[in-house]
Amino acid sequence: GAGVSQSPSNKVTEKGKDVELRCDPISGHTALYWYRQSLGQGLEFLIYFQGNSAPDKSGLPSDRFSAERTGGSVSTLTIQRTQQEDSAVYLCASSLPGTQQFFGPGTRLTVL
Amino acid sequence: AQSVSQHNHHVILSEAASLELGCNYSYGGTVNLFWYVQYPGQHLQLLLKYFSGDPLVKGIKGFEAEFIKSKFSFNLRKPSVQWSDTAEYFCAVHNAGNMLTFGGGTRLMVKP
Repeated sequence: GAGVSQSPSNKVTEKGKDVELRCDPISGHTALYWYRQSLGQGLEFLIYFQGNSAPDKSGLPSDRFSAERTGGSVSTLTIQRTQQEDSAVYLCASSLPGTQQFFGPGTRLTVL
Repeated sequence: AQSVSQHNHHVILSEAASLELGCNYSYGGTVNLFWYVQYPGQHLQLLLKYFSGDPLVKGIKGFEAEFIKSKFSFNLRKPSVQWSDTAEYFCAVHNAGNMLTFGGGTRLMVKP
């Protein structure tokens, strides 16, 4: 597609529920990133996929967070047993290796 | 670990005023530097980037930034701001680790 797309745009969930957030990167981009934007924490790196290499998970805040990338394209970020502090905008970006990252519109997650 | 500092959290200017937003990073190696902008209700967009070469970089909408290696700085400037420049501005560093490290952001409000 023309840009990075993410779905849903908004997600409201109850504390303790699991959520899945989806990212469709720009076609041909081998690198995919997840970031989180929250009040008080700014923009934080979560996880990075590059081709078929093992992902860099160094930014994931807890083991409740996981992500996968199927077929080198679409990625899903899963948050298990959501907590209120997980409320944030989750941003996905894609790029060719070592070049400018293009960001999607984000998914605004609200945990009640 | 590298970090990025943006000195101004909130800036209020009148139209036609000059703008300079500070950005300092802590990383001694080779870095790529970026300024991203987030207009109200919109996703992150690249304003300009520095990879190598001329340390004075020109971006979109009349913005420019100067990379001063000795000061670990990459300040953003615009000679004359417009109301439409009201947005949040993020400085970011990209190193061999591939993820972006963002500053805390600066909210700019331009009064008409």
